[in-house]
Amino acid sequence: DAKTTQPPSMDCAEGRAANLPCNHSTISGNEYVYWYRQIHSQGPQYIIHGLKNNETNEMASLIITEDRKSSTLILPHATLRDTAVYYCIVPDSGSARQLTFGSGTQLTVLP
Amino acid sequence: AAGVIQSPRHLIKEKRETATLKCYPIPRHDTVYWYQQGPGQDPQFLISFYEKMQSDKGSIPDRFSAQQFSDYHSELNMSSLELGDSALYFCASSFVFSDRRDFGPGTRLTVT
Repeated sequence: DAKTTQPPSMDCAEGRAANLPCNHSTISGNEYVYWYRQIHSQGPQYIIHGLKNNETNEMASLIITEDRKSSTLILPHATLRDTAVYYCIVPDSGSARQLTFGSGTQLTVLP
Repeated sequence: AAGVIQSPRHLIKEKRETATLKCYPIPRHDTVYWYQQGPGQDPQFLISFYEKMQSDKGSIPDRFSAQQFSDYHSELNMSSLELGDSALYFCASSFVFSDRRDFGPGTRLTVT
């Protein structure tokens, strides 16, 4: 999987927007950006993915820069239940993708 | 909606014993993946299956084997267990090699 870089930890006040950055400067033109999260000891959970356009779903928004070298996951109104490790992943373009979980961002939502 | 089912949820074994973990994917998903997550670590890919054939192999020890059956459920067999095998084991499923995967709740294996 293409290398991604995320800050190891971030804090966010409850009710405020959480903006989680990710750098993926080696991304190829046809590679998607995926975001997963893992709440403590639970199975990872898919959040959102995108190629080059901004995406939004019921959980979050994904903003991808025009050069596609970085992206930001936005949780518009963070709650205590959003406290988790957030992983930004750029899977290989091959036919059998391992979906490698690297070092993500520990987001702590504070009351 | 139906989710990925893993059994058992907790398992305690002694060193050198064997263990079998089971995974039941979401209906109509044809691809199954296994991950291992040690204490304080990120999930590590072990192995995947598509249409009952092994499709990719990660850092799976030779002591471990896995298979996918005709009903698409999968089993991870672990022999000669070591203390270091104590971990959470997650199964995920998807439509063919989709990177949008659904993960199960995990099996916590403790080796004593």
